[in-house]
Amino acid sequence: DAKTTQPPSMDCAEGRAANLPCNHSTISGNEYVYWYRQIHSQGPQYIIHGLKNNETNEMASLIITEDRKSSTLILPHATLRDTAVYYCIVRVRGYGQNFVFGPGTRLSVLP
Amino acid sequence: GAVVSQHPSRVICKSGTSVKIECRSLDFQATTMFWYRQFPKQSLMLMATSNEGSKATYEQGVEKDKFLINHASLTLSTLTVTSAHPEDSSFYICSATPWGGQPQHFGDGTRLSIL
Repeated sequence: DAKTTQPPSMDCAEGRAANLPCNHSTISGNEYVYWYRQIHSQGPQYIIHGLKNNETNEMASLIITEDRKSSTLILPHATLRDTAVYYCIVRVRGYGQNFVFGPGTRLSVLP
Repeated sequence: GAVVSQHPSRVICKSGTSVKIECRSLDFQATTMFWYRQFPKQSLMLMATSNEGSKATYEQGVEKDKFLINHASLTLSTLTVTSAHPEDSSFYICSATPWGGQPQHFGDGTRLSIL
């Protein structure tokens, strides 16, 4: 699986957009970009994933660069409940394969 | 959506006790489930892959006789920490993937504290 690099921490003002970057310069053509978050003392929560097109769901938007070497997770209107560690994971999509978690980005949403 | 349930959410017990943690897929069948461990201020680390009807696959450095895994049905995997010691205190998390290439779903974790 390709390695990802994320900033260790970020702050965001409540109500503003939170933009979390992820570098995955060694990503392969069949690897997807997944984003999860982990709120303190809970299991990771799935947010969104994509291959090469930008994706949007009720939680967030995922912007993947054309060369697929980096991506950005966007939380359009961050709330205090979005304070969590966000993990960017690159992996082939399929059944029966685990996820490899890096240190992630600790996002603090400030009032 | 797909839900993975873990039980119990928290366990506090004495050193030497064996502790069983259950992981259930509530609305899908999972022939493969994963068990992770997370120490404070660290990321999740894969411990083992649980395979329905066959032996689990353990990651390097994880003692298979210490962490017994049983995956007896398509919706249930159990992790038993045998003769637990304080150094086994950690946050244990399971996960599973529904069929069809859906994202992996995680349980809410079990916080194990060994006194």
